Formats: sequence, C-alpha cells, structure tokens
Amino acid sequence: QLRLQESGPGLVKPSETLFLTCSVSGDSINTINYYWGWIRQPPGKGLEWIGSVYYSGGTYYNPSLKSRVTISVDTSKNQFSLKLTSVTAADTALYYCARDEPTVNWFDSWGQGTLVIVSS
Amino acid sequence: SYELTQPFSVSVALGQTARITCGGSDIGNKNVHWYQQKPGQAPVLVIYADDNRPSGIPERISGSNSGNTATLTISRAQAGDEADFYCQVWDSSTAVFGRGTKLTVL
Repeated sequence: QLRLQESGPGLVKPSETLFLTCSVSGDSINTINYYWGWIRQPPGKGLEWIGSVYYSGGTYYNPSLKSRVTISVDTSKNQFSLKLTSVTAADTALYYCARDEPTVNWFDSWGQGTLVIVSS
Repeated sequence: SYELTQPFSVSVALGQTARITCGGSDIGNKNVHWYQQKPGQAPVLVIYADDNRPSGIPERISGSNSGNTATLTISRAQAGDEADFYCQVWDSSTAVFGRGTKLTVL
C-alpha cells in the first residue's frame, strides 16, 4: 500500500529557507507512471499547488512561487524534497506531498501533511 | 491565470442530494478532479477526469462537466459526508484548485 510521509522542521525564521522531504513507501518513485508533488494549505484556507517532479528530475512549478522553489528527487532513497527560499509569514501552512498522475494530473495519494510555521 | 469558482458553502438535508459546482472558462474542455477533505485530515481524491471514481469511493458520489461548469453530486447525503470539497484542473502546466466548498448535512 502506497504511503507518503512528510518530514522537516516545523518552525522556520523569516527570510530563511524551508526544507521538507517526502518519503515514499509501497511504490517506487523511479517510475515513468507518476509525478510527485507538493501542495500546501495555509491555516483555515484552501489548497495551493507548489510544484511536481518526475523521476528523471524534470519539474513543473507554480508560476507564483517559481522564483523561490526547487523540488528535487532522490531515487536511491525513494524520496523527493522541497526547498522554498526567503520565506515569510505567508508561507505558514500545512505542507502535503502527493502522487501526481502525469497525463491529466490528479493527486491520488497524499501524505498526512506537516505544519510549517514561519516566525522569529 | 486560470480561475475556478466554487460556492463557499452548500447545505443538504440528510438523505437528499447535494450538488457542488465548479465554474471556469470553458471548463468542459478540461479534466476536472474533486477532493474531499474532512477536518484534520488530508484531502482524498473522490472523482478524477470529470466522472471517474477511484477504488473505494461509493457510487452515490458522481461528477459531470460541461460548458463552463463542472458539478460534483452526492446522493443520499450522510452525516459523514460533511467536509470541504475542492475541484482541480491542469492549465498551462499548472495545477489549479478551486477555493473549496464546505458541505453541511442538516
């Protein structure tokens, strides 16, 4: 059974860089069949797609975040990661990783999410 | 950028049919996906590509898409259906979510 688990610091200072990792079990990330994505949800608000990565390292990013985001994949560890630079309070959110179907792009399996608070 | 419009909230009587809409320019020519998110939980895919149910999603949940509106229909509404529902499309190499609709079962 597919399982995704986010991990990383729960508190990041303003202007610093947020790093999160998604560990995947029950399926290989090294597959042509899926992308692997990050989605976030500010407290009490809706969902915002951040970006997705392919096993080969190819990426798609939300244009509104593209200048600050890097998503990478480590097939040897069956993990993919999110880096978000120059964070502000507006980046405080629950961050989810999810499996992304690549032809018409739905997210069919999600992690439980990890809360990241940006505060000094 | 592409925008999706959802009603903020929808109410339905127990056992009746709820319809949640998702509006967008010519959305009928896009593939629409729907997610259910219960309080404190991660979203769950309930409809993909307009009208397809993933394994484990009951048949009383269905979707349709035409023109400028996609619709999620929940028949025989149960108390356990109360949740936030989000529509999502892919446009210009970007995943776009609607703002979500809170479904209340009365």
